[in-house]
Amino acid sequence: NAGVTQTPKFRVLKTGQSMTLLCAQDMNHEYMYWYRQDPGMGLRLIHYSVGEGTTAKGEVPDGYNVSRLKKQNFLLGLESAAPSQTSVYFCASSYSRQGGRWNEQFFGPGTRLTVL
Amino acid sequence: GENVEQHPSTLSVQEGDSAVIKCTYSDSASNYFPWYKQELGKGPQLIIDIRSNVGEKKDQRIAVTLNKTAKHFSLHITETQPEDSAVYFCAASRATSGTYKYIFGTGTRLKVLA
Repeated sequence: NAGVTQTPKFRVLKTGQSMTLLCAQDMNHEYMYWYRQDPGMGLRLIHYSVGEGTTAKGEVPDGYNVSRLKKQNFLLGLESAAPSQTSVYFCASSYSRQGGRWNEQFFGPGTRLTVL
Repeated sequence: GENVEQHPSTLSVQEGDSAVIKCTYSDSASNYFPWYKQELGKGPQLIIDIRSNVGEKKDQRIAVTLNKTAKHFSLHITETQPEDSAVYFCAASRATSGTYKYIFGTGTRLKVLA
């Protein structure tokens, strides 16, 4: 069981460039989440998904888009990167209500993104 | 909006001493309170959690207490060891749209001095 994996681990972009961060989980979790972590601000929810084909906005969704075409994958896209999007991005997943410990979120190792 | 305040932001203790981290939440409907430990270069990992119908929970050297009336909860680590050095995050959450959305505190960097 790899748990939650994220690709890539590091990335440097120039302002205006686009990229996609990939999150994959092998725990058959229904729910998946994208967070960003900034110094002194904890983790803030960007978007989340409660199942394949569904997405919803979190606390800080502006400038990001997401897609959940397959249950095990959750993609985070930046269409036109800005320096304010320099951050560490974490993906997480959790069970559905029917799956037992559905409160607990399992986190990936993170992607460090720098936008110049 | 909802927020969670966490104190202190940094905490240094001698090995073997106790450490206490405190969080206060604003959403009175919150009913699940996890604590996460994040080691350098890694993602957060759940270490203990508590639900709103419980006042205290203990797991070996770590414990969490919850005061619903005051809307605050605390993490207690006893007999600290160097491997406890990490950043700790509290969170408050309630079920929304079929899932739990966490509101995280800003983190506490714990240093255990040998």
